[in-house]
Amino acid sequence: EVQLVESGGGLVKPGGSLRLSCAASGFTFSSDSMNWVRQAPGKGLEWVSSITSTGYDIYYGDSVKGRFTTSRDNAKKSLYLQMTDLRAEDTAVYYCASGVLLDQWGQGTLVTVSS
Amino acid sequence: SDELTQPPSVSVSPGQTARITCSGDAFRKTYAYWYQQKSGQAPVLVIFEDNKRPSGIPERFSGSSSGSMATLTITGAQVEDEADYYCYSVDVTKRVFGSGTTVAVL
Repeated sequence: EVQLVESGGGLVKPGGSLRLSCAASGFTFSSDSMNWVRQAPGKGLEWVSSITSTGYDIYYGDSVKGRFTTSRDNAKKSLYLQMTDLRAEDTAVYYCASGVLLDQWGQGTLVTVSS
Repeated sequence: SDELTQPPSVSVSPGQTARITCSGDAFRKTYAYWYQQKSGQAPVLVIFEDNKRPSGIPERFSGSSSGSMATLTITGAQVEDEADYYCYSVDVTKRVFGSGTTVAVL
């Protein structure tokens, strides 16, 4: 059974940093691209970042470019999102999702940016 | 423009057909994907590459795409199909979600 489990969310002050993790199991993690998608409270889905299976190519949405960094550790079957210079508008549930199709999703982790 | 535009809401009676459109220049060169998100849950892929259905998705869900418009059709909508639906495009360096459509079955 495919499982994606996000962790690392919480309350952080504006300008602060946070690192999210996504632990994968039940599929060949090293063969799949991975993605971060977020959803602000009461709002729609927003693509945040994608990383290829090897980690060589990484892409970001305009709203997070230069502040967020995506990485992965295929040996640990884990995906990461390092978030810096956090703003109130980054408050959202952050999901990791697998593959180009985004065919499997985690349950998400809530990040709240507030003073 | 990178935007994908969807109607905010669609209402349908049980057993009738619901059509959700998604308009964007991206679809002239890329596939459309569709996700269903029920309240409080993570999204679920219901259509990929314009018109393919993942295993486990009911046959009443179908997709099509022509020019700059992609369409998700629910033929014989059920009460359990009430949800938000999002279209999605994938380009080499950029991905975009549509604005989302709330489907009410009543």
